[in-house]
Amino acid sequence: KNEVEQSPQNLTAQEGEFITINCSYSVGISALHWLQQHPGGGIVSLFMLSSGKKKHGRLIATINIQEKHSSLHITASHPRDSAVYICAVGSGGSNYKLTFGKGTLLTVNP
Amino acid sequence: EAGVTQSPTHLIKTRGQQATLRCSPISGHTSVYWYQQALGLGLQFLLWYDEGEERNRGNFPPRFSGRQFPNYSSELNVNALELEDSALYLCASSLGLAYKETQYFGPGTRLLVL
Repeated sequence: KNEVEQSPQNLTAQEGEFITINCSYSVGISALHWLQQHPGGGIVSLFMLSSGKKKHGRLIATINIQEKHSSLHITASHPRDSAVYICAVGSGGSNYKLTFGKGTLLTVNP
Repeated sequence: EAGVTQSPTHLIKTRGQQATLRCSPISGHTSVYWYQQALGLGLQFLLWYDEGEERNRGNFPPRFSGRQFPNYSSELNVNALELEDSALYLCASSLGLAYKETQYFGPGTRLLVL
């Protein structure tokens, strides 16, 4: 079993829809990251959170430490949101490293 | 402010050769991380350097090595290249303590081993 599980693997939505991507992890963590990767390969860090909820524009990330679960929500989705969204958990203290989920491919159609 | 830069953007090598990939972090960032993204395998942690020292390495063989220079730039060396080393290699940097700081990613180097 992978340490970080994302669902769904693929998601197709119509412009304007509300999107939810889920991430479950099995290890103790210092922080959880949500990343966005566009087709060219470049990665942008969207959120880094260790508790509660963060919001940036149309994106919202939540984490439940007790349940070892996080969600990334996109409100009013737009075709430019089409990308791979990757959940990563950071753990290890002085031996810190990120462990990544396999990603969710989101396609938003106009 | 310039972001994380990597060179070269593409690299083609043959099996058994050595590859050297370079990364310049954001100005002021002392930590540099290397990741491998092979087709179908997702991102995997390779190495973490901070203040010139290797702080942690992922589950990769010793032929993957690197170093961090006094100006905090970093080099990843892959010796005795194998076909399965073909991947996108991403570098990231952060301002200090890894578990407290956001990592900023470079555009990557695409390595193709023939």
